[in-house]
Amino acid sequence: EVQLVESGGGLVQPGRSLRLSCAASGFTFDDYAMHWVRQAPGKGLEWVSGISWNSGSIGYADSVKGRFTISRDNAKNSLYLQMNSLRAEDTALYYCAKDRVAAAGDAFDIWGQGTMVTVSS
Amino acid sequence: QSALTQPASVSGSPGQSITISCTGTSSDVGSYNLVSWYQQHPGKAPKLMIYEGSKRPSGVSNRFSGSKSGNTASLTISGLQAEDEADYYCCSYAGSSTSLFGGGTKLTVL
Repeated sequence: EVQLVESGGGLVQPGRSLRLSCAASGFTFDDYAMHWVRQAPGKGLEWVSGISWNSGSIGYADSVKGRFTISRDNAKNSLYLQMNSLRAEDTALYYCAKDRVAAAGDAFDIWGQGTMVTVSS
Repeated sequence: QSALTQPASVSGSPGQSITISCTGTSSDVGSYNLVSWYQQHPGKAPKLMIYEGSKRPSGVSNRFSGSKSGNTASLTISGLQAEDEADYYCCSYAGSSTSLFGGGTKLTVL
């Protein structure tokens, strides 16, 4: 079964850091680009970051550029999001999503169930 | 990076057809044939319905179709059914390994 399982969310104070992880199974992880997409409570989807199959191409939304870092470990079938200098507006459910192709930006055909990040003092 | 523009809500009766528009710019929707559409029911993860503008993934009903003209993409749902009631989001590749979502459209089946 194709599956993405996110972890690492929680309650964190403004200015602190958090690292999200996404464990992939059921497909050849290093054949595909991967993404993080977030959804604030009651709001729409926001693309956060994407990484190509070999980490050669990486992109970030302007809202997180310079604060968040995406990475992947193909040997461990895992995707990561290092989030630094967190702000209240980063509060959201963070989804891990698989791209249809190796280069980032086609479409997201598999989604995890998300991990909640709450930034509050 | 400004979000793509979608109507906040649309509605239709069972059996009817509806169309949801998604307007971007010449830097995203207009430049790439990489618009995708997602359906999201409350409390659930999004589901891919259309990719590369007009292609349907395996298992998605042929009642869903996509198209694009210039900087505007569209999702049409024909033969509306109660189960189609959900939020719908468009997304476009925007260059430099970045993507943009629309604000989302709430579909109500009357």
